[in-house]
Parts: sequence; structure tokens; C-alpha cells
Amino acid sequence: DVKVTQSSRYLVKRTGEKVFLECVQDMDHENMFWYRQDPGLGLRLIYFSYDVKMKEKGDIPEGYSVSREKKERFSLILESASTNQTSMYLCASSLGRPSPRRQPQHFGDGTRLSIL
Amino acid sequence: DQQVKQNSPSLSVQEGRISILNCDYTNSMFDYFLWYKKYPAEGPTFLISISSIKDKNEDGRFTVFLNKSAKHLSLHIVPSQPGDSAVYFCAARIQGAQKLVFGQGTRLTINP
Repeated sequence: DVKVTQSSRYLVKRTGEKVFLECVQDMDHENMFWYRQDPGLGLRLIYFSYDVKMKEKGDIPEGYSVSREKKERFSLILESASTNQTSMYLCASSLGRPSPRRQPQHFGDGTRLSIL
Repeated sequence: DQQVKQNSPSLSVQEGRISILNCDYTNSMFDYFLWYKKYPAEGPTFLISISSIKDKNEDGRFTVFLNKSAKHLSLHIVPSQPGDSAVYFCAARIQGAQKLVFGQGTRLTINP
């Protein structure tokens, strides 16, 4: 069965800290994604990667960076955490190009991050 | 610029009746549409999808309808069950791209 694992369910950090969110998938998927979910705004894409060491900006990349050193692992980095980055963060993965039309993104259970 | 919109933040339906969730989009380059369901403290799970070349796709109690001329899709759940209470996200994929664009979500509550 498909499995996307996010390292922490809940995380509390302080303003200005460097924060790492980790995501691992066991499906040998090429694509990996980081979203944040906020009330009334839905899921917004922060960054995605379609191959090792490849990354592309999503819709809201400011204040974030990512790292993909291995195919199964995709890390989201908050360079200097701020209170407006308090949110639910969701990682997802999917098969890469050429992607069968019926292959959706598979999500982890999320990390609820609070920045104090 | 919200390319995928779910204009109803919440919906309440009696158990056994039909639930209809709506989604509007603006980008004509979307070629594939999906619905995800999300329970609290869990990640979204894929529910059903439809290609832009079709106007209907059915899977058990779930049916998705696509009206391309109106740039509108809807998810019908019949009959609605208490376990259907969740947040539903509509998503769309631009032709040739790998990423999805999500709507804001609609919280569905099924009342006994």
C-alpha cells in the first residue's frame, strides 16, 4: 500500500528558528510536493520536485526552501520561521513523467506547525 | 488568482439524501479534475477523478459531473452516510503538468 510519512505530527518552534520538515515515500515516486493548508485558502503549493536534486517553485515559495538528495525523501526548510508560517503542512508524492492520467497524488497525514 | 473555486465553505445534508458539492474553474488548459476527501488530522485521500474529454464518471455512491462550457464540476454522493462527513477538495491539473491546483475546500456534514 502507498505510504507517505511525515516525520512529525505536531511541531512548536520559535520565531527566527530554522525549521526542517521531513517527508519520506516508499512508492518509488518521481514527484514530490509540499503544500500548506489554511482555513478558507485550501491547499497551496509551496515547492515540488520531479527528480532528485530538482526543484520548482510553487505558488507561495517565499520564506521556504527544499532539498531532495534522495528519491524517497523531500525536505521543507523554513529558513527563519515567522508567525505567519503557522499552518498545516502536507507532503504528497506521485508517479512522474509520463504520468498515467489516473495516478493521483498521495498525501501524508500532515504536520501541524506552530511558530511562537 | 484563484483558478479553482469552491464557493460553499460548508454544506449540511441529512443522512440518506444526496450531497452535491460544486467547483468552478477558470483555466481552459485544465485536462484532468480530481476530488479529494480529508478527515481531521489526516492527509487528503483521492476519491474520484474525471478527464476533460468526459462529462461523467461514476464510482459506487460517488459521481462526478463535468460541464466544460460552464467550467463547472460537481460531486454527487448518494446516499449520504455519516462517514462522508469531511472536507472535500476539488483539484485540477494543467495539461502536461505534474502539479495540481486545489480549491478552498467544502466541509460536508451529514446529519443523522
